[in-house]
Amino acid sequence: GAVVSQHPSWVICKSGTSVKIECRSLDFQATTMFWYRQFPKQSLMLMATSNEGSKATYEQGVEKDKFLINHASLTLSTLTVTSAHPEDSSFYICSATRQGRGQETQYFGPGTRLLVL
Amino acid sequence: AQTVTQSQPEMSVQEAETVTLSCTYDTSESDYYLFWYKQPPSRQMILVIRQEAYKQQNATENRFSVNFQKAAKSFSLKISDSQLGDAAMYFCAYRSAYQDKLIFGTGTRLQVFP
Repeated sequence: GAVVSQHPSWVICKSGTSVKIECRSLDFQATTMFWYRQFPKQSLMLMATSNEGSKATYEQGVEKDKFLINHASLTLSTLTVTSAHPEDSSFYICSATRQGRGQETQYFGPGTRLLVL
Repeated sequence: AQTVTQSQPEMSVQEAETVTLSCTYDTSESDYYLFWYKQPPSRQMILVIRQEAYKQQNATENRFSVNFQKAAKSFSLKISDSQLGDAAMYFCAYRSAYQDKLIFGTGTRLQVFP
């Protein structure tokens, strides 16, 4: 299989604080990891693409200093929402592609619900 | 730029019946991949089926099959013998052979009635 986990599954925080979300590939090495944001009843919006050991590539309109991405190893990527505000409340999903055959397929984590009060 | 269009915001089907979800895409590339993902109420994105553009044969996964029409740029998903557990949002997605990104459609909400 290709299992991707995310932690935490949900988080509530106060405005102005930072929140870190972890994305792990449990049974494979991920060449690339992706971070998405999804608003209710909408499709997924790609925020950034990260490769192990290199800087993330952010999509147009996504603030790099607001959404910090670190891809420390082939199995772990983190998204830190800095100085969170209520408008950052959303559902954040990560995905990963595996090395080798079938590397074009993205496997998704279960998502993290963020609520900023 | 590539785009993916799902023209059916909602569909419904009776249990045990067959339903087809539509997806069209626009690209000038010849080498790419197409996917259908399912997102149930839990919001976990689950890969349903994938198709390589260079393959003429339509992909099949148990009760799920696709009708891939490359010239028409159409990629519909057929669900046979529908089950209550098939109720979910279904997203069609495109991936170029030359880029990592997935381009998603807006989704189709499928309801399954007993």
